[in-house]
Amino acid sequence: QSVLTQPPSVSAAPGQRVTISCSGGWSNIGNNYVSWYQQLPGTAPKLLIYDNNKRPSGIPDRFSGSKSGTSATLGITGLQTGDEADYYCGTWDSSLSGVIFGGGTKLTVL
Amino acid sequence: EVQVVESGGGLVQTGGSLRLSCAASGFPFSGFWMHWVRQAPGKGLVWVSRINGDGSTTTYADSVQGRFTISRDNAKNTLYLQMNSLRVEDTAVYFCVDDYSNLGLRYWGQGTLVTVSS
Repeated sequence: QSVLTQPPSVSAAPGQRVTISCSGGWSNIGNNYVSWYQQLPGTAPKLLIYDNNKRPSGIPDRFSGSKSGTSATLGITGLQTGDEADYYCGTWDSSLSGVIFGGGTKLTVL
Repeated sequence: EVQVVESGGGLVQTGGSLRLSCAASGFPFSGFWMHWVRQAPGKGLVWVSRINGDGSTTTYADSVQGRFTISRDNAKNTLYLQMNSLRVEDTAVYFCVDDYSNLGLRYWGQGTLVTVSS
């Protein structure tokens, strides 16, 4: 059981918008930066969002991140079939003195 | 072009040892914290360890503390993970990745598979 809670799955139609939540506590999300990763089947994870809401170069602005209190959210607009992947949130946990990840959310684009 | 290439994985019996390597190029390796993250087959991401740029500070997950040792050779742009007293539950793909900003893990390798059998 992960310290960070994500929904196991979400789905939406092509072109639509979807959000993926990541819920934690004050020892992790509440006082640390959050990152988001996309993992396509059979590949390594890819950094989508860092510092809560910043996108690395090359990541389209269809992907966005936000944080409020002890929760964070990844938003994806203009869904494409190529967005079907597992998505993970990650942050530092001050109580555990380590990096933690959410359990992952499988996105299906119907 | 950035390249991150892990190697050293394989099949080992419980109690055995392996040393993973990660060769990095295309970015200022010595300027960044580096991490090992693992993923058991069909499971999620699990952080293993990290090391700062000059190798003076290391941190480990509780599950590997005392058994694994992370190190780096900045002259060779290479990260290492010495894994001792391996357990079946250490079976996973091990990824090497740099810490771009506040645990934004940026450049991931393709991973190397470690299988521990009883």
